[in-house]
Amino acid sequence: GAVVSQHPSWVICKSGTSVKIECRSLDFQATTMFWYRQFPKQSLMLMATSNEGSKATYEQGVEKDKFLINHASLTLSTLTVTSAHPEDSSFYICSASEEESNEQFFGPGTRLTVL
Amino acid sequence: GIQVEQSPPDLILQEGANSTLRCNFSDSVNNLQWFHQNPWGQLINLFYIPSGTKQNGRLSATTVATERYSLLYISSSQTTDSGVYFCAVMDSSYKLIFGSGTRLLVRP
Repeated sequence: GAVVSQHPSWVICKSGTSVKIECRSLDFQATTMFWYRQFPKQSLMLMATSNEGSKATYEQGVEKDKFLINHASLTLSTLTVTSAHPEDSSFYICSASEEESNEQFFGPGTRLTVL
Repeated sequence: GIQVEQSPPDLILQEGANSTLRCNFSDSVNNLQWFHQNPWGQLINLFYIPSGTKQNGRLSATTVATERYSLLYISSSQTTDSGVYFCAVMDSSYKLIFGSGTRLLVRP
């Protein structure tokens, strides 16, 4: 199956700093990638859709200036949490969409803790 | 938007038992995926199943799109099957909408 990597797998940072998370599709090209957020014992919530070469589309209630998304190539999307605060602590997961079928494959996730 | 409901929310099995997980959705969908989230958080693709029946080892899935539900069958469960099982449906804009999951614990 298709493989998606995410880096870093976990990060601890101080309040006010910015954190960048990378999502890569390793063995296929992905025009579209997605970013999700998951709180403990809850389901995944879509934050934004990342399209290669164009601006991301954010879900209602997600601050685009807070969560900057860049999809500069067909295999890489990045999510930057700007001026992170403790309430941004969460598990962030990306997925990449296989173009023919639209099946989504998920990265292993990044656990962010903001002190 | 589309609503996705999964049942049961929690399930405890003895190793070797069989189980059926259900996913109901409120509107027509482009597709449906089943995932297993392991204890480390990784989502593993189980099935991509818009309709019909598929089997993969001890797991099988059936989607009846006209009646808006899908079933995931786990046979001869093993402790490594423990985790959370999510159903997700794809809406008309190709976004996945997740159900709340079924938390499975298989005891030895």
